[in-house]
Amino acid sequence: QVRLVESGGALVKPGESLRLSCAASGFTFSNYHMAWIRQAPGKGLEWVSYVSLSYNTVYYADSVKDRFTISWDNAKTSLHLQMTRLTGEDTAVYYCATVMDVVATVVDWWGQGTLVAVSS
Amino acid sequence: QSVLTQPPSASGTPGQRVTISCSGSTSNIGSSAVNWYQQLPGSAPKLLIYRSSQRPSGVPDRFSGSKSGTSASLAISGLQSEDEADYYCGARDDSLNAPVFGGGTKLTVL
Repeated sequence: QVRLVESGGALVKPGESLRLSCAASGFTFSNYHMAWIRQAPGKGLEWVSYVSLSYNTVYYADSVKDRFTISWDNAKTSLHLQMTRLTGEDTAVYYCATVMDVVATVVDWWGQGTLVAVSS
Repeated sequence: QSVLTQPPSASGTPGQRVTISCSGSTSNIGSSAVNWYQQLPGSAPKLLIYRSSQRPSGVPDRFSGSKSGTSASLAISGLQSEDEADYYCGARDDSLNAPVFGGGTKLTVL
């Protein structure tokens, strides 16, 4: 049974940094592609970043490029998102997800999400 | 503004068949598979249809997907109250070289 548990969400001030983590279990982590997808309050879904170890590819949305960094730890089967220079536009629930097919962008499993709120 | 366009809302009565559309272009739906996600109130999204018409294990066959040209559709037959949710389409956009979601459709069961 695939399980994804996010942590690290918090209320931070504009300009501050935050690190999200996702503990993954129930599947072979190194065989999967992993992603962070966010949803602003009352809004739709937005891809933030994904990593494909098999294709040696990392993707960042333009809105977060040069501010966010995705990383992973195969040994601990965990995924992270380091977020810097946060703004109010980054306020959202951040979901950790597995991507079954990174070319067809099939997101097959989602965590419950962690809330990041950016406000002064 | 997403490159995949969905109607903001849809509705139907129990037992009815409803369809939700997802309109794109040759750089996304026209050249890529489409996926559909269901997000129940207060919950994380869930994969409903992948590669345009495939159902993951556990998804009832009341849900079906299709694609034609630069448009895709999600059909729900035998509508039930528990189908009331937000539905999102997703695909890859080759021009943007990025994965994208539609804006979402809120389905109300009357």
